[in-house]
Amino acid sequence: NAGVTQTPKFRVLKTGQSMTLLCAQDMNHEYMYWYRQDPGMGLRLIHYSVGEGTTAKGEVPDGYNVSRLKKQNFLLGLESAAPSQTSVYFCASRRDYTNTEAFFGQGTRLTVV
Amino acid sequence: GQSLEQPSEVTAVEGAIVQINCTYQTSGFYGLSWYQQHDGGAPTFLSYNALDGLEETGRFSSFLSRSDSYGYLLLQELQMKDSASYFCAVGGGSYIPTFGRGTSLIVHP
Repeated sequence: NAGVTQTPKFRVLKTGQSMTLLCAQDMNHEYMYWYRQDPGMGLRLIHYSVGEGTTAKGEVPDGYNVSRLKKQNFLLGLESAAPSQTSVYFCASRRDYTNTEAFFGQGTRLTVV
Repeated sequence: GQSLEQPSEVTAVEGAIVQINCTYQTSGFYGLSWYQQHDGGAPTFLSYNALDGLEETGRFSSFLSRSDSYGYLLLQELQMKDSASYFCAVGGGSYIPTFGRGTSLIVHP
């Protein structure tokens, strides 16, 4: 059981470039989330999904888009990267509304120069 | 909206007991969770309280008072490996998990 897997683990982008972060979970979880973590700011929710084909905005959605075409995958896209998007990105999943525990991936460290 | 407050840093010595507090304000409440995160690692789930009272899991305990919108994580017999960041979070059910800014615990020999 791999749990939650994020790719890539590290990436450096130039301002204006685009990229997609992939999150895959093999636990058949319904809920998936994308967070960003910045020093002193904790984990802030970017977008989330409560099931295949659904997405919704979180606390800091600007500059990001997401898709959940398959239940096991949740993609986070940056269309035109900005230095303010330099951060560590975590994907998490949760079984469903009956369960509280969230499982996190190992994170993607993104630097935009 | 939802907001959580917790201390930014706590220090303690090996073998001691430390308490990390968390107060919250939410428009809807489902439960209070705690997560641990070591430097460079992913957050991992520690505990969850849906009802008032104390939940014990080995050296770690978590407490909740819904009337006071307050909870804490208690770590006993501290070990060096407990040095990490600890996050409280509200949410569950149909509520989106919202995290506090985290408390950095530094354990000294």
